[in-house]
This record gives sequence, structure tokens and C-alpha cells, in this order.
Amino acid sequence: QKEVEQDPGPLSVPEGAIVSLNCTYSNSAFQYFMWYRQYSRKGPELLMYTYSSGNKEDGRFTAQVDKSSKYISLFIRDSQPSDSATYLCAATGNQFYFGTGTSLTVIP
Amino acid sequence: SQTIHQWPATLVQPVGSPLSLECTVEGTSNPNLYWYRQAAGRGLQLLFYSVGIGQISSEVPQNLSASRPQDRQFILSSKKLLLSDSGFYLCAWRGARGTDTQYFGPGTRLTVL
Repeated sequence: QKEVEQDPGPLSVPEGAIVSLNCTYSNSAFQYFMWYRQYSRKGPELLMYTYSSGNKEDGRFTAQVDKSSKYISLFIRDSQPSDSATYLCAATGNQFYFGTGTSLTVIP
Repeated sequence: SQTIHQWPATLVQPVGSPLSLECTVEGTSNPNLYWYRQAAGRGLQLLFYSVGIGQISSEVPQNLSASRPQDRQFILSSKKLLLSDSGFYLCAWRGARGTDTQYFGPGTRLTVL
């Protein structure tokens, strides 16, 4: 079992839709959780960073961690074509563990 | 603010040729540094990490090697490239005080023919 699992998609939504991206993790000791956005042929860019359980909001983006179910979510409100990218989730214990990424396309 | 650089951005090399990819970080000292390879649909594969000058840990045994000759410089090398070495190589840094995030460079796309 991988430490962090992520549905690869692809996910395609119309502009303005609410997007939900999800990951699960296996190790209950993980405490730091991240979301990265990666545009085609670019390095991943840190988007959101949360510690332990709870929500964190930054503009149109909300990161949510549910430690009881080992579930990590990223919500994008009012999605824009510029949000089209691959989104990677990550968790840290002694090492960094990354999901394989979900490809998102927002259609104008 | 911190900045991470990688070069070259793209590289096409014949099988059996040597490789040298360079990564430098600005605006921080004593960072933990990482080399990853990203293959399509397979996520990030950690290749090497370093906690200080001359200190290299290898995660995947292969024909690649890494060196850290200076505090903010990390180099990925190979004496003889294989076709399977093709991929997108990413350098990343993590704050030395244990901030649990990683920041990635722009990457190098390597094609071995």
C-alpha cells in the first residue's frame, strides 16, 4: 500500500464549477499536509500547507484534513481555466510522501 | 526570499554519454536538498537527498550519483546514461529548521536517445 494515494483523474469541469480533489494516506503519524499545483513542463508549486486536522482557506482554495479518516481534500471554488494543471497532494512523517497527481482541466 | 535554480532546462543526450545537472538555492543557508525524477503517470521518485555539504543519501540504486560541493549547490551526475534515465528531474529544498514543506525548482527535461 502506498503511503499517499491519489485518484489520477483526469478531471474535467466547466468554468465556475466547484472542484474537489482528494487523497488518502495510510500513516496516522503524518501531521503536515500539502497541495502542489504543477503546470505542464513546470516544477510543482506549493499551493497550500496545513498542519494536523482542520481547514485552511486561501482565496478560492480550501485545504481540508480529516485525520480520523486519513483523508486530504482540496476544494477550488469558481474554477478558472488557469486552474488547469496537475495537483499533487503530499504528507510528511520522517520523509515526504507524494500522491501521483490529479490532472484537472477547466473548460471555458 | 528563497529561489531555486536548475539548469539546463532541457537536455537531449545519446545513450552512454555523461550527465551533469545542477541545482542552486538562494536566500537560505544549510537547506536540505533533494533530487526527484518524475515520469508521466508515476509521480515523484526520490533519488537523493542531502542534509549538508558532502552528505548524500541515495534512495534508489542506479547509475546516477549526486554531490553537494557547496552549501547551496546540488549536482546530479551519471557517467553513462541509459534510455531509462529519460524523465523530468526536479530539485527541491526544505528549510533546515524543519519546516515541513518542500519547494521545487523549475525542472530539467532529459531525453536520452
